[in-house]
Amino acid sequence: EIVLTQSPGTLSLSPGERATLSCRASQSVTSNYLAWYQQKPGQAPRLLIFAASSRATGIPDRFSGSGSGTDFTLTISRLEPEDFAMYYCQQYTNSPPNTFGQGTKLEIK
Amino acid sequence: EVQLVESGGGFVQPGGSLRLSCAASGFTFSSYWMHWVRQAPGKGLVWVSRANTDGSSTAYADSVKGRFTMSRDNAKNTLYLQMDSLRVEDTAVYYCAGEGYSHGYFYGFEIWGQGTMVTVSS
Repeated sequence: EIVLTQSPGTLSLSPGERATLSCRASQSVTSNYLAWYQQKPGQAPRLLIFAASSRATGIPDRFSGSGSGTDFTLTISRLEPEDFAMYYCQQYTNSPPNTFGQGTKLEIK
Repeated sequence: EVQLVESGGGFVQPGGSLRLSCAASGFTFSSYWMHWVRQAPGKGLVWVSRANTDGSSTAYADSVKGRFTMSRDNAKNTLYLQMDSLRVEDTAVYYCAGEGYSHGYFYGFEIWGQGTMVTVSS
């Protein structure tokens, strides 16, 4: 089973700043099948990035993903007030289990 | 409108059973791999199970293997999760999610339901 470790656990930033979230896998993620999700309180998760660097439909271009193998990054170039939320990475190869990271809370400083 | 709507959650005693349903609309349900993901109160996301497009292949997390059974009825655009021998630690919001798939390529969990709460307690 691939274990995903996200860092930091909490990130405190101000609107307009740049956010960098990290996700490290315990072994190489096949085909870079690494996704990022945003979740706000009381809501379902929303897909932001798939295949490590492809933005999902309707996602603003301030969100970008990068990385390969075992190290992946989600970058939000200029934080908007609505971006403060929980973020999860996930590896979704077709070999189960599909695992999620423990999450990074992005909070307003 | 693309939509997944879960139902069937509720309160059950340890050892009991529940059957969750997830009704799909607004997209070609039979083209999507489908998953169940759960989230205990105040905790992170945990993958539970998945079924391929026609339901001929399923897989489960070790924590639910042998107790939960996932199935789908593409004619009814509906996904199911039969949960037996429920434990206190199964208490969570259960989400169904659709994974985009085309020509051997996967696109992540594109579509999510709003979730249904399952509470297991004596």
